[in-house]
Amino acid sequence: AQTVTQSQPEMSVQEAETVTLSCTYDTSESDYYLFWYKQPPSRQMILVIRQEAYKQQNATENRFSVNFQKAAKSFSLKISDSQLGDAAMYFCAYRSPLISSGSARQLTFGSGTQLTVLP
Amino acid sequence: NAGVTQTPKFQVLKTGQSMTLQCAQDMNHNSMYWYRQDPGMGLRLIYYSASEGTTDKGEVPNGYNVSRLNKREFSLRLESAAPSQTSVYFCASSVSGSIAYEQYFGPGTRLTVT
Repeated sequence: AQTVTQSQPEMSVQEAETVTLSCTYDTSESDYYLFWYKQPPSRQMILVIRQEAYKQQNATENRFSVNFQKAAKSFSLKISDSQLGDAAMYFCAYRSPLISSGSARQLTFGSGTQLTVLP
Repeated sequence: NAGVTQTPKFQVLKTGQSMTLQCAQDMNHNSMYWYRQDPGMGLRLIYYSASEGTTDKGEVPNGYNVSRLNKREFSLRLESAAPSQTSVYFCASSVSGSIAYEQYFGPGTRLTVT
């Protein structure tokens, strides 16, 4: 079974600065998708960015980018020019291409990193 | 276009009571999911429906049942609630179960079982 580990329960960043959130995962599969989701106090889960494992180029979405190191099984999220609205819980998630018994391509989530943005 | 909606937003139950959490999506998605989120943990899949008429167990299905009523609606039932089922429940949907498609989440239902 896949596991996703976020080793930073809490992080803080000064407004306008850059912060990097860490994520590692364990898998024996070669093709998969990785995601970062943001969960603000409203509890809504919002997709921030996605990375296909077969793509070597790191995904970027405006101020959000990832550092995907497939061999190291690492998938970190960099937030540039941090804004107050970036404050939220961030979850890293893994999605398998294969249907395993009872799981049917579920998303496997890490435990989350609570990001605080300081004015 | 409301996306994924869930009712109720909050619920308090006594141990042994039953209830159904409702979920609906208006995006014409084929696949729908139920997750639970406990403090200090990510979301865990309870049940999944690849398409209308099919359901499948996820990581933590015990104590729950589901019904895919039609393409739009996917309900989660607790037949005899237990304190261990105190959690926040999220419904999600995607175009299909294919790996490539993003899952869209509802706002969640906070359930407390006393």
